Amino acid sequence: QSALTQPASVSGSRGQSITISCTGTSSDVGAYNYVSWYQHHPGKAPKLMIYDVNKRPSGVSNRFSGSKSGNTASLTVSGLQAEDEADYFCSSYTSSNTLVFGGGTKLTV
Amino acid sequence: QVQLVESGGGVVQPGGSLRLSCAASGFTFSSYGMHWVRQAPGEGLEWVAFIRYDGSNKYYADSVKGRFTTSRDNSKNTLYLQMNNLRGEDTAVYYCAKVYDDTWGYFDYWGQGTLVTVSS
Repeated sequence: QSALTQPASVSGSRGQSITISCTGTSSDVGAYNYVSWYQHHPGKAPKLMIYDVNKRPSGVSNRFSGSKSGNTASLTVSGLQAEDEADYFCSSYTSSNTLVFGGGTKLTV
Repeated sequence: QVQLVESGGGVVQPGGSLRLSCAASGFTFSSYGMHWVRQAPGEGLEWVAFIRYDGSNKYYADSVKGRFTTSRDNSKNTLYLQMNNLRGEDTAVYYCAKVYDDTWGYFDYWGQGTLVTVSS
């Protein structure tokens, strides 16, 4: 199972919006609405930000939103804040009853 | 609060075996599925295995199928990963993770990880 494809880095200024893409195949991202996004600050445990493509767990800011089109899922962070600077990675369920992760994207604010 | 503490990592020769443990606390361990995820040096995350809350279903990545076995002892609140016939490409930090709510493939808590190095 190949990893999902994410850009290595994205950047934006405070208050702006950015979007991170996560490209898979018709056997994972394109086949199911089981895509998630995690925020990972170095030295801390990853935090679930989005699940089921566009749902937010309780406590996650509504500045974070998710979407999907075909084999590509996206995470949008609006109103960028300094604390949003972190690594972000996506994950998807696959047709083989497995999970596959993206390579991760470093967001610089 | 929820805590997941991995242990059992170390240096092992190719072809050797190792058993990792993940001690859970702060939640009803027997009610949640658990996953193993690993990260090789300089690489992204790789999903390894899943075990249902009662141990009845298990799934593995193709890269470890037939060599790794996950199990759990709900009476001890502990998750295990038995790794046999280890290869150099198994070198990684291994994390256990708790599933979020009643989902299968989302994680809300992760351990700090334990390093496995396969080298002669």
